Amino acid sequence: GAGVSQSPSNKVTEKGKDVELRCDPISGHTALYWYRQRLGQGLEFLIYFQGNSAPDKSGLPSDRFSAERTGESVSTLTIQRTQQEDSAVYLCASRYRGTDTQYFGPGTRLTVL
Amino acid sequence: DAKTTQPNSMESNEEEPVHLPCNHSTISGTDYIHWYRQLPSQGPEYVIHGLTSNVNNRMASLAIAEDRKSSTLILHRATLRDAAVYYCILAAYGGSQGNLIFGKGTKLSVKP
Repeated sequence: GAGVSQSPSNKVTEKGKDVELRCDPISGHTALYWYRQRLGQGLEFLIYFQGNSAPDKSGLPSDRFSAERTGESVSTLTIQRTQQEDSAVYLCASRYRGTDTQYFGPGTRLTVL
Repeated sequence: DAKTTQPNSMESNEEEPVHLPCNHSTISGTDYIHWYRQLPSQGPEYVIHGLTSNVNNRMASLAIAEDRKSSTLILHRATLRDAAVYYCILAAYGGSQGNLIFGKGTKLSVKP
């Protein structure tokens, strides 16, 4: 079946612009996660959705970062007034209720010039 | 969340077994041990997980120490496609209640 998809796969933007990153989870997966991975580093947790509510936003690095989710479907991560330090791969993962395994998308590589 | 310690890198020869160690001395009774791997330019993928008993699946085996303070991921016959960063992660209640905390993992190189 279809896995987690993310779009765009690559995004180049200028400092100060806003960007939107999209994640389509596996159908029926109730939990959705956003992570950030800087070059050569491990994954940093950003935000977790259970359905369309976000019980854990503790990883969002600043108020320039926000995310929303429509029902148990698509999620959008928005970064306002992008900075060069926002350059990273942004990964989305989804998980079926009551199970342990997270399924990751291929990521969106964001480059802020 | 309890932390894990892994070697930064390991090398293996193709078709030989690989043992990837992980120390987690502060593991709690409700923490499951998960392993994920990340191939170059891809998102992480699940490999295996366990609580107390050793586990086997089609990808790998997981050996868990009796005191649960360490574990070893075993790839029985490494292939070139197994070259990846391997992450050992502790997840409270199996990860069904929140995010996974990824460290830097072990970068496995496989030589032909």
